[in-house]
Amino acid sequence: DAKTTQPTSMDCAEGRAANLPCNHSTISGNEYVYWYRQIHSQGPQYIIHGLKNNETNEMASLIITEDRKSSTLILPHATLRDTAVYYCIVSSGGSNYKLTFGKGTLLTVNP
Amino acid sequence: GAGVSQSPSNKVTEKGKDVELRCDPISGHTALYWYRQRLGQGLEFLIYFQGNSAPDKSGLPSDRFSAERTGESVSTLTIQRTQQEDSAVYLCASSQPRNNEQFFGPGTRLTVL
Repeated sequence: DAKTTQPTSMDCAEGRAANLPCNHSTISGNEYVYWYRQIHSQGPQYIIHGLKNNETNEMASLIITEDRKSSTLILPHATLRDTAVYYCIVSSGGSNYKLTFGKGTLLTVNP
Repeated sequence: GAGVSQSPSNKVTEKGKDVELRCDPISGHTALYWYRQRLGQGLEFLIYFQGNSAPDKSGLPSDRFSAERTGESVSTLTIQRTQQEDSAVYLCASSQPRNNEQFFGPGTRLTVL
């Protein structure tokens, strides 16, 4: 699976949009981009995933660049409860069961 | 419905002892996964079950680690002759067939003294 690069940490003001970037320049055509988050002392939680089109659900939006080499997770109105480590993961359809978690981005939402 | 549950939530053991960690997946989820998370690190994949067979055991760190699953239900991860480097949170996840939205349990925190 392709490797991803994320900033170690980010800060965001409560109520503002949080934009979390991820680089995956070696992504191949059949690989999806997944986002999970892990709130302190809890198991990871699935957020969203996409292949090449932008995706939106009740939690977030995922914007994937046209060349698919990078993506951005957008939390439109961040709350204090969104403080967590956010993981960007690239995984192929064939072996899509295996999620390789890096160190992710620690997002801190400040009041 | 109920989510993925794991037991015990915490386990403290002495070096050299065997431990068993249990995972109850979401009903109907045929796929089950075990991961390990050391302090301050990301998750390491250990093993994947599809039903009661394990097509991928590549993440098991040594032959002291083994796992089994009963049908499409409970799974047990066993660590024999525990070592201090086995100390970590062990996370279990399950998913529906051909769906990579994995639902994680709260984990078991293992401390080997």
